[in-house]
Amino acid sequence: AQTVTQSQPEMSVQEAETVTLSCTYDTSESDYYLFWYKQPPSRQMILVIRQEAYKQQNATENRFSVNFQKAAKSFSLKISDSQLGDAAMYFCAYSKYGQNFVFGPGTRLSVLP
Amino acid sequence: DTGVSQDPRHKITKRGQNVTFRCDPISEHNRLYWYRQTLGQGPEFLTYFQNEAQLEKSRLLSDRFSAERPKGSFSTLEIQRTEQGDSAMYLCASSPPLEKLFFGSGTQLSVL
Repeated sequence: AQTVTQSQPEMSVQEAETVTLSCTYDTSESDYYLFWYKQPPSRQMILVIRQEAYKQQNATENRFSVNFQKAAKSFSLKISDSQLGDAAMYFCAYSKYGQNFVFGPGTRLSVLP
Repeated sequence: DTGVSQDPRHKITKRGQNVTFRCDPISEHNRLYWYRQTLGQGPEFLTYFQNEAQLEKSRLLSDRFSAERPKGSFSTLEIQRTEQGDSAMYLCASSPPLEKLFFGSGTQLSVL
């Protein structure tokens, strides 16, 4: 069964600085998708960024980018120019098309003014 | 596109009672998922539908839990004989053929 691990329960970053959240996963598949979701205190889950495993190029969305290392089964999220509104729980997730999405335990990110 | 809608937002019930939650997905999304989330944890998969067919159920989904998606539109999740351990946020999400989950705001269940 696929598993997703996030080894950092909590992280903090100074406003305007850069922070990297770690994620590793376990799968025997070669074609799959990886995601980072953000859950602010409102508890509404919001998609931050998505990566297809067959693409070698790392996905980017404005201040958010990933470092996808397929051989190492690693998928980290880099947040640049951190803003107070980035404070939230961040969940890494894995899916294979047509199957369920597996989420990691999450990393709580605090942004310090 | 009004997003994924869940009703009710909050439900307080007594142990042993039955509860039912409703989820209305984004209209063109053919897949619908139910997850359970306790505070400080990641969402745990419960079940998912492709159109009206229930394709996968988690071992977490005991015989007290049942989900339906009649005609491939809205879905309901029913919990019979609720227990205090059922207290959690129940999240619904839908997905188009493009692999991406869109979540509702969730139903917070408290079992007293």
